[in-house]
Amino acid sequence: EVQLQESGPGLVKPSQSLSLTCSVTGYSITSNYWGWIRKFPGNKMEWMGYISYSGSTSYNPSLKSRISITRDTSKNQFFLQLNSVTTEDTATYYCARSNYPYYYVMDAWGQGASVTVSS
Amino acid sequence: DIVMTQSPSSLAVSAGETVTINCKSSQSLLSSGNQKNYLAWYQQKPGQSPKLLIYLASTRESGVPDRFIGSGSGTDFTLTISSVQAEDLADYYCQQHYSYPPTFGSGTKLEIK
Repeated sequence: EVQLQESGPGLVKPSQSLSLTCSVTGYSITSNYWGWIRKFPGNKMEWMGYISYSGSTSYNPSLKSRISITRDTSKNQFFLQLNSVTTEDTATYYCARSNYPYYYVMDAWGQGASVTVSS
Repeated sequence: DIVMTQSPSSLAVSAGETVTINCKSSQSLLSSGNQKNYLAWYQQKPGQSPKLLIYLASTRESGVPDRFIGSGSGTDFTLTISSVQAEDLADYYCQQHYSYPPTFGSGTKLEIK
């Protein structure tokens, strides 16, 4: 059974970078698609992007200049970096898996990491 | 981006009743190539992460009880929960997986009286 677990700082200062790690067990990240989704206070949800089994990436255009998703296949982990954060990036961040051909259907999720952007 | 509009934003029902949640997309989610509708539903229970219930508008994910039924086509979709149980207390979200970027509805909070 695949399990995903987010980790990283819960507090980030404005203008700095947000960095999160998703550790995956029970499944290789060299298969399928691995993404990040966030849920804002007030419950709006936003798909941020994914990294594929081959290492290619796709990002939400709303974030394209600030986001980077990378991976370490030796550790079976993938990472989110979001630059130049503001208080509007305060959210719970989830990592999730998607399967071909439905790259945008997330069938396994981590528990979520709450991140607050504040000075 | 495709805008997803859900209604109602919240509802309260008694156990055993049937619940209907609506989701409307700003563009058709019907693929002309395979005649499939690219709409998913997720359930998020308090303190938990979202769980995939349904994709392609009506295909239940493995292990999802058959009281969860997805229907609709084009721009109008429905999630029906028959004989609601206390454990169904959750937020429900629709999401289009038709086009990039995927987008979510604003959610429906289901409360059990």
